[in-house]
Amino acid sequence: EAGVAQSPRYKIIEKRQSVAFWCNPISGHATLYWYQQILGQGPKLLIQFQNNGVVDDSQLPKDRFSAERLKGVDSTLKIQPAKLEDSAVYLCASSSVGGTQYFGPGTRLLVL
Amino acid sequence: AQSVTQLGSHVSVSEGALVLLRCNYSSSVPPYLFWYVQYPNQGLQLLLKYTSAATLVKGINGFEAEFKKSETSFHLTKPSAHMSDAAEYFCAVSGGSGGSNYKLTFGKGTLLTVNP
Repeated sequence: EAGVAQSPRYKIIEKRQSVAFWCNPISGHATLYWYQQILGQGPKLLIQFQNNGVVDDSQLPKDRFSAERLKGVDSTLKIQPAKLEDSAVYLCASSSVGGTQYFGPGTRLLVL
Repeated sequence: AQSVTQLGSHVSVSEGALVLLRCNYSSSVPPYLFWYVQYPNQGLQLLLKYTSAATLVKGINGFEAEFKKSETSFHLTKPSAHMSDAAEYFCAVSGGSGGSNYKLTFGKGTLLTVNP
């Protein structure tokens, strides 16, 4: 069974530029999560989708971050404009409803 | 609201020694508890989970954890460390049932180093 796929793996941008990350969950998983992991900290949930609806986006900085999950399958997370403090690893996870979350390899973002 | 505290940001053991990584949680609802491992430049891999069944939970790679409600703890142990166990370990809690309760709240992680 294929795992959660993410791309790109690494991205370097300058502040105020925009960037987008892509996630393809495990086939059949209805729930998709985006987490932000800052160096030295545990992952923090940014947004949770169930199918193509948002369940929780309470910790998403909506003035600069946006996410969508069209057709309830893959998802895109965008940052516009990026700030220095957005440097982090962005992890995507998926699960069946109420099931174990399986994580992708992450996208490592460096904002200069 | 839920939170996790991992005691010790860095634990160092000798190969063959006992591994003990500490985790305490706070939850307003009966918790589900998890331990994940993260190797360098990789995502998180589930080691084990507690979901209100047996309080002693066995996971992969010889790890186990015991849920102690009275102590609000979920410490991770392994009797004999192997060099391949060197990684960062995260304890996490979720509310367990329904909608946003499934989201994971993570501790800050414990880096385990294993000395030959």
